[in-house]
Amino acid sequence: QKEVEQNSGPLSVPEGAIASLNCTYSDRGSQSFFWYRQYSGKSPELIMFIYSNGDKEDGRFTAQLNKASQYVSLLIRDSQPSDSATYLCAVNVRGFGNEKLTFGTGTRLTIIP
Amino acid sequence: ETGVTQSPTHLIKTRGQQVTLRCSSQSGHNTVSWYQQALGQGPQFIFQYYREEENGRGNFPPRFSGLQFPNYSSELNVNALELDDSALYLCASSTTGGDTGELFFGEGSRLTVL
Repeated sequence: QKEVEQNSGPLSVPEGAIASLNCTYSDRGSQSFFWYRQYSGKSPELIMFIYSNGDKEDGRFTAQLNKASQYVSLLIRDSQPSDSATYLCAVNVRGFGNEKLTFGTGTRLTIIP
Repeated sequence: ETGVTQSPTHLIKTRGQQVTLRCSSQSGHNTVSWYQQALGQGPQFIFQYYREEENGRGNFPPRFSGLQFPNYSSELNVNALELDDSALYLCASSTTGGDTGELFFGEGSRLTVL
């Protein structure tokens, strides 16, 4: 079982609709969860992070975390063509001064005008 | 722009050669992490440097090594290059002891091994 799993897509969503991206993780000790956006040929950029169960909203983006189900999601409202990118889910497990992110393989999202 | 700069941006090497990649961290950040991203994959953690010492390592062989300098900049060295080392190498800076690991990535160094 992969540590962080995402549907690789591609996921196609009409402009203006809600895009829903999902991620599951295997380590119940995971504490922090991140969503990165990566445009083709570019480096990942942080969109959202969430630490507690429930929803966290930032503009058009909402991150949802359910630790009991080991599930993280990202909702993008009013999708725009500029949202077309690969979305990477990442999980941080803190050890004794040893921090690292474990990434999923990413979901490729295409917004159709 | 994250303030993290990497060099070179692109390079081509042949199998068996050695390569050094460089990274300058964002101002105020004391930790540098290196990731390898193969085509179509998510980034994989190579190692992290804090206070000039390796502070955690992923599942990479010893021919992957690094350094961190007093100004927090860092180098990634890969010896005896193999074809599978072809990837985008990402440097990320952060502040250890602060939040739980928000990373700021540079634009990466794309390595092609022939």
